[in-house]
Amino acid sequence: DTAVSQTPKYLVTQMGNDKSIKCEQNLGHDTMYWYKQDSKKFLKIMFSYNNKELIINETVPNRFSPKSPDKAHLNLHINSLELGDSAVYFCASSPAGGRSEQFFGPGTRLTVL
Amino acid sequence: SQQGEEDPQALSIQEGENATMNCSYKTSINNLQWYRQNSGRGLVHLILIRSNEREKHSGRLRVTLDTSKKSSSLLITASRAADTASYFCATDGNQAGTALIFGKGTTLSVSS
Repeated sequence: DTAVSQTPKYLVTQMGNDKSIKCEQNLGHDTMYWYKQDSKKFLKIMFSYNNKELIINETVPNRFSPKSPDKAHLNLHINSLELGDSAVYFCASSPAGGRSEQFFGPGTRLTVL
Repeated sequence: SQQGEEDPQALSIQEGENATMNCSYKTSINNLQWYRQNSGRGLVHLILIRSNEREKHSGRLRVTLDTSKKSSSLLITASRAADTASYFCATDGNQAGTALIFGKGTTLSVSS
């Protein structure tokens, strides 16, 4: 069974559109994250949720809105997509925040045309 | 803000050789972790070393941590072609309940 899954794996869309990426973990972890990896492979935290509550909201445009319906899911909705949003987005989960290893999903490659 | 800086950015070696990657960070930490990312895939956790530990081993991996120098190294011994990947160090920045802060990574190529 896949521990952390994301859908879709690839997302190609036009500027100005709204899109969502879904993430689910079946590990029973309390904490989930969204990271963005740019074209130079630099990974940066976007959001962190602990038991459905927002813990971290880094300097991310408010066009990005995370939603956690339950502690096993953390979805990412992006409004009014821009060219600069093109990147690979990774969902991750961990049992104890930054104090333990994190389990990453396979990533969603977003391309904005 | 970026915490870890890996060095070198890229490393090419032959199978059987050892590969050493270094990481430096800026603030105090609770632990430091190393992750591997194969091309087009997610990150996989390799090893976690706590701030009160100096060295840790896992199979062909050896990690050292020097908190006085705010640096860590990852040694892969007897490398294999399958070790070809990007390697990232990550720290927790000593903040409770926070995410990891990743470095820019070292891209390792192992040729047979």
